[in-house]
Amino acid sequence: QKEVEQNSGPLSVPEGAIASLNCTYSDRGSQSFFWYRQYSGKSPELIMSIYSNGDKEDGRFTAQLNKASQYVSLLIRDSQPSDSATYLCAAAEYGNKLVFGAGTILRVKS
Amino acid sequence: EPEVTQTPSHQVTQMGQEVILRCVPISNHLYFYWYRQILGQKVEFLVSFYNNEISEKSEIFDDQFSVERPDGSNFTLKIRSTKLEDSAMYFCASSLLAGTETQYFGPGTRLLVL
Repeated sequence: QKEVEQNSGPLSVPEGAIASLNCTYSDRGSQSFFWYRQYSGKSPELIMSIYSNGDKEDGRFTAQLNKASQYVSLLIRDSQPSDSATYLCAAAEYGNKLVFGAGTILRVKS
Repeated sequence: EPEVTQTPSHQVTQMGQEVILRCVPISNHLYFYWYRQILGQKVEFLVSFYNNEISEKSEIFDDQFSVERPDGSNFTLKIRSTKLEDSAMYFCASSLLAGTETQYFGPGTRLLVL
């Protein structure tokens, strides 16, 4: 059974701080990794994708991938109250299916 | 910006009834997917579809489920005889290619089976 594991949280950070979200995956065949943000009752919204070991930055967001450790992370700099949501980590093999983690609840306090 | 659309946004049905959930994927995308999310649980893959046929399906996607691309724009999920446990949010997604390509999700249909 291919699994993606995330700490459910909630992770609470003050406004302006760095939020660090982590994810591990079980399937070494996974090729690509995605972070989605999901507000309550809404659909997953793509934040970032990452395919290669190392860091990938996009604005306030940095994704990190370590395939040897089967570990993916997302850093959110200068966290804002509007960043409060559930963050979903997903892994895909070369193919179609996304396997999602249960998500980490992030709360940014002003 | 192109987006995936889904109708209806909410659907209430009686157990045993058939429902059809509709999706319009992003126009130049070639791969289509259905996922579901039971309240408080993970997003789960149901099925992927390419070139007018199913390319992969999960254990959840049993004989009561079917998918179809009836025309050049719509992609549908049919549940033949709904059960209480089919109550969930159903998300349609599409991607330009398979493999490492990003999947973009529609807003979802909330299905409630009574």
